[in-house]
Amino acid sequence: SQQGEEDPQALSIQEGENATMNCSYKTSINNLQWYRQNSGRGLVHLILIRSNEREKHSGRLRVTLDTSKKSSSLLITASRAADTASYFCATRGQAGTALIFGKGTTLSVSS
Amino acid sequence: ETGVTQTPRHLVMGMTNKKSLKCEQHLGHNAMYWYKQSAKKPLELMFVYNFKEQTENNSVPSRFSPECPNSSHLFLHLHTLQPEDSALYLCASSQERGEGTGELFFGEGSRLTVL
Repeated sequence: SQQGEEDPQALSIQEGENATMNCSYKTSINNLQWYRQNSGRGLVHLILIRSNEREKHSGRLRVTLDTSKKSSSLLITASRAADTASYFCATRGQAGTALIFGKGTTLSVSS
Repeated sequence: ETGVTQTPRHLVMGMTNKKSLKCEQHLGHNAMYWYKQSAKKPLELMFVYNFKEQTENNSVPSRFSPECPNSSHLFLHLHTLQPEDSALYLCASSQERGEGTGELFFGEGSRLTVL
């Protein structure tokens, strides 16, 4: 399975601190995506990084990808209480295969 | 508003009932998906439809029956469910261009409770 595994499972920080979540996967990928889910709601796409990219930025988000280690990280800088949510990485293999999600990291940001 | 609408948002049913979950996407996408999200478990891919054709059935029990009448609508028909089927069922859509890079747009989910 190419399922991603996020680490840590839960993370609690103060507002203004940075939050780093990691994702490891098992097989070669076409791209890796990060999603966010507020409690009881649907998932929202945050950022996609292709297998030939090493780093990508979007606002306060920074994603890195190391295909040799089969791992990715999501950094949220200057966190806010509104960033409290679960964050999932998802991998896509060859063209035509569906996204496979990990178990997620639950982030709690306190003010 | 993601452009993907799921109804109902909440459903309680007995094990002998028959019900359906509905999903509609207004994004012009060509692929639609059903995922199951249970507590403490990763999202489980259930079914994938590309251009209305089912391309993946992830070993889902036959008590779950998908239907995709057109590229904008997706149904999940439920019958003779078990309590362990209680979960959040998420529908998603994407625009697939062959290179497999589409991001998913999710609905808000249907929370199913089987008594």
